[in-house]
Amino acid sequence: NAGVTQTPKFRVLKTGQSMTLLCAQDMNHEYMYWYRQDPGMGLRLIHYSVGEGTTAKGEVPDGYNVSRLKKQNFLLGLESAAPSQTSVYFCASSVGLAGYNEQFFGPGTRLTVL
Amino acid sequence: LAKTTQPISMDSYEGQEVNITCSHNNIATNDYITWYQQFPSQGPRFIIQGYKTKVTNEVASLFIPADRKSSTLSLPRVSLSDTAVYYCLVGGSSGGYQKVTFGTGTKLQVIP
Repeated sequence: NAGVTQTPKFRVLKTGQSMTLLCAQDMNHEYMYWYRQDPGMGLRLIHYSVGEGTTAKGEVPDGYNVSRLKKQNFLLGLESAAPSQTSVYFCASSVGLAGYNEQFFGPGTRLTVL
Repeated sequence: LAKTTQPISMDSYEGQEVNITCSHNNIATNDYITWYQQFPSQGPRFIIQGYKTKVTNEVASLFIPADRKSSTLSLPRVSLSDTAVYYCLVGGSSGGYQKVTFGTGTKLQVIP
């Protein structure tokens, strides 16, 4: 039982490049989330999904896209990376809404955009 | 979204009780309060959750006053392994959409 895993762990991009972050969970959770964590700002919700085939915007969605084609996977895409997207990205999953249920977090992906 | 405020850092000696307070003045009626612990290079880990009054589990207690404008995480008899960053989260739903607001975190340093 691996819980929540994230791929890759580290990545360096040049401005304008694209990439996809992969999140996988093996707990059969309906809800999945993508957060970014910046120094002094806590975690901010980018996008979330309440089930396979669904996505919704969070607090800071601009510049990101997501897809949930399979229940266990949640993908975060950056179409044209910008230095402002340099951050640590965390994926999480839960049985229900994050505000009412325990979230299980992955180990994070550290992204640097030059 | 509810705005949450926490002290940036705290120091405590081993064996002492530590109380970390989070202020959330504009919390909504259907919002819950959750606390997470985060070690360096790891994702946050759930500690405790509550709506009002007091909640206790095997690792912590959570105190929420009647007006719910603040909450206090209490860690009894801390050890060196409790050195971490602690986040409060105020969350719920509004109009069918998820609301999640993390505080900026309190860095707890436990001193031997």
